Amino acid sequence: AQSVTQLGSHVSVSEGALVLLRCNYSSSVPPYLFWYVQYPNQGLQLLLKYTTGATLVKGINGFEAEFKKSETSFHLTKPSAHMSDAAEYFCAVSDRYAGGTSYGKLTFGQGTILTVHP
Amino acid sequence: EAGVAQSPRYKIIEKRQSVAFWCNPISGHATLYWYQQILGQGPKLLIQFQNNGVVDDSQLPKDRFSAERLKGVDSTLKIQPAKLEDSAVYLCASSLEPGNTIYFGEGSWLTVV
Repeated sequence: AQSVTQLGSHVSVSEGALVLLRCNYSSSVPPYLFWYVQYPNQGLQLLLKYTTGATLVKGINGFEAEFKKSETSFHLTKPSAHMSDAAEYFCAVSDRYAGGTSYGKLTFGQGTILTVHP
Repeated sequence: EAGVAQSPRYKIIEKRQSVAFWCNPISGHATLYWYQQILGQGPKLLIQFQNNGVVDDSQLPKDRFSAERLKGVDSTLKIQPAKLEDSAVYLCASSLEPGNTIYFGEGSWLTVV
């Protein structure tokens, strides 16, 4: 069974500071990895995803994440925080194709609320 | 391109009453998901459809929850009778096929009092 652990339910940074949101996963085989963002009263929006290839993945709004197999991690970073980055961020994994149609569903972490101070 | 549509956005009901949520996925998307997001937690999959067939409902509380996907397009999630612990946001999502990017609707907020 797959699982995701997000370290830190709340992260607070100053505007212009580095954003680092931590995510570790557990899976018997390397999964697909995702980061989603959720603004208040809205649904989830995909920030970026890793499937294969380059382990450093760039997403929208200046975010990026690096897949480290040896550490089973997929931490999300952004060099300089903006006020508009304040939201809740979810790390998620999905299983790879293994035949049939019962795959591709997402397993989410608990979420990290990012607060950005002026 | 229109996104995933859900209704109603907000619903307040008393315990033991019933409620239904509707979802219209992105046009052409064969795979549809319902997730439950309880406050302070990540979304949890309730059910996955491929066209109009169920491929995973292992975490659906079948004694009170039911879902169907009409003609492989729209879907309805029903709760009857509702319990206090069903208070959550119910997120519908869709993808072109399993393994493709999953797109989420804005959610239906349920409060059971």
